[in-house]
Amino acid sequence: EAGVAQSPRYKIIEKRQSVAFWCNPISGHATLYWYQQILGQGPKLLIQFQNNGVVDDSQLPKDRFSAERLKGVDSTLKIQPAKLEDSAVYLCASSPGQINTGELFFGEGSRLTVL
Amino acid sequence: AQSVTQLDSHVSVSEGTPVLLRCNYSSSYSPSLFWYVQHPNKGLQLLLKYTSAATLVKGINGFEAEFKKSETSFHLTKPSAHMSDAAEYFCVVSDREDTGFQKLVFGTGTRLLVSP
Repeated sequence: EAGVAQSPRYKIIEKRQSVAFWCNPISGHATLYWYQQILGQGPKLLIQFQNNGVVDDSQLPKDRFSAERLKGVDSTLKIQPAKLEDSAVYLCASSPGQINTGELFFGEGSRLTVL
Repeated sequence: AQSVTQLDSHVSVSEGTPVLLRCNYSSSYSPSLFWYVQHPNKGLQLLLKYTSAATLVKGINGFEAEFKKSETSFHLTKPSAHMSDAAEYFCVVSDREDTGFQKLVFGTGTRLLVSP
């Protein structure tokens, strides 16, 4: 079974530029998550989708971050304009449904460096 | 809101010696707790989970964790460390939103170093 795919793996941009990350979850997984992991910290949930609807985006900085999940499959996370403090690894994860089992399947992440 | 505290940012052991990674949780109800592992440049992987069944939980690669309500702890152990165990370990609690959906809240992580 194919895992969660993310791209690009690495991105370097200057502050005030824009960037987009793409995620393809495991086939059939209804729930998709974007996490931000800053160096030395645990992952922090940015947004959670159930199919193509947003369940939780309370920690998403909506003035600069946006995310969509068209057709309930792939998802894109965009940052515009980027700030230095956005340097982090952006993790995408998926699960079959609600977290009844607690198992999320994570991609390898997209590492963003903002100069 | 639920939270977890990982008491050590780094733990160093020698190969073949026991591993203990400490985690305390804060929860207003009976929580679901998990340990995830993250190897360098790899995605996070579930090690084990506690969901109100047996308090001693066995996971992959010989790891175990014991849920102790009286101590609000969920420490991760392994009898004998292997070089391949070197990684970052995250203690995680499941938090229920007002919407009824659950989300995972991660601790800050403990880096396990294993020396020959």
